Amino acid sequence: AQSVTQPDIHITVSEGASLELRCNYSYGATPYLFWYVQSPGQGLQLLLKYFSGDTLVQGIKGFEAEFKRSQSSFNLRKPSVHWSDAAEYFCAVGARGGSNYKLTFGKGTLLTVNP
Amino acid sequence: GAGVSQTPSNKVTEKGKYVELRCDPISGHTALYWYRQSLGQGPEFLIYFQGTGAADDSGLPNDRFFAVRPEGSVSTLKIQRTERGDSAVYLCASSLLAGGGETQYFGPGTRLLVL
Repeated sequence: AQSVTQPDIHITVSEGASLELRCNYSYGATPYLFWYVQSPGQGLQLLLKYFSGDTLVQGIKGFEAEFKRSQSSFNLRKPSVHWSDAAEYFCAVGARGGSNYKLTFGKGTLLTVNP
Repeated sequence: GAGVSQTPSNKVTEKGKYVELRCDPISGHTALYWYRQSLGQGPEFLIYFQGTGAADDSGLPNDRFFAVRPEGSVSTLKIQRTERGDSAVYLCASSLLAGGGETQYFGPGTRLLVL
């Protein structure tokens, strides 16, 4: 079964600073990979996803993520953080084949943005 | 267009009571999912519907939990004899098709508190 680790429970950055949120996965092959963001009282919103091909994926709100097979990682980045980016971020994996409709999520990283 | 909606947004109940949580998926989406998010955790898969049938209910914790989707649209998650450990946010998601990295669109969730 697949699993996801988000090593950082809480990250604080200053507005305008760059951001990198870490995600490591465990899966026997290359999974489908997702990043979702959850703001208070809101549902999970998809930021970006990786299927295949180009390992650098562009998403909404200026986010990007890079799939690194050798490191089993899919880290999320943003060059300049805005105060409105404060939220909780979840990395998720989906299997290829079998129960491929089932997403497995990490525990999330809470992002605080200081003015 | 309208996203996934869930009612109620909050539910407080007493231990031992029965509760129903409702999910209205995006119109035309054939696949529907329920996840549970406990405090400090990522969402965990409960059940997946393809059309009217529960294609995978392997994530339901025990037989107190049951879900239906009688007409292939709205779904209801039913919890009998609630326990304090059932307190969590219950998230519903839908997707146009199922599997293969399909984007799952999440509702805002129902926050259940069992006293």
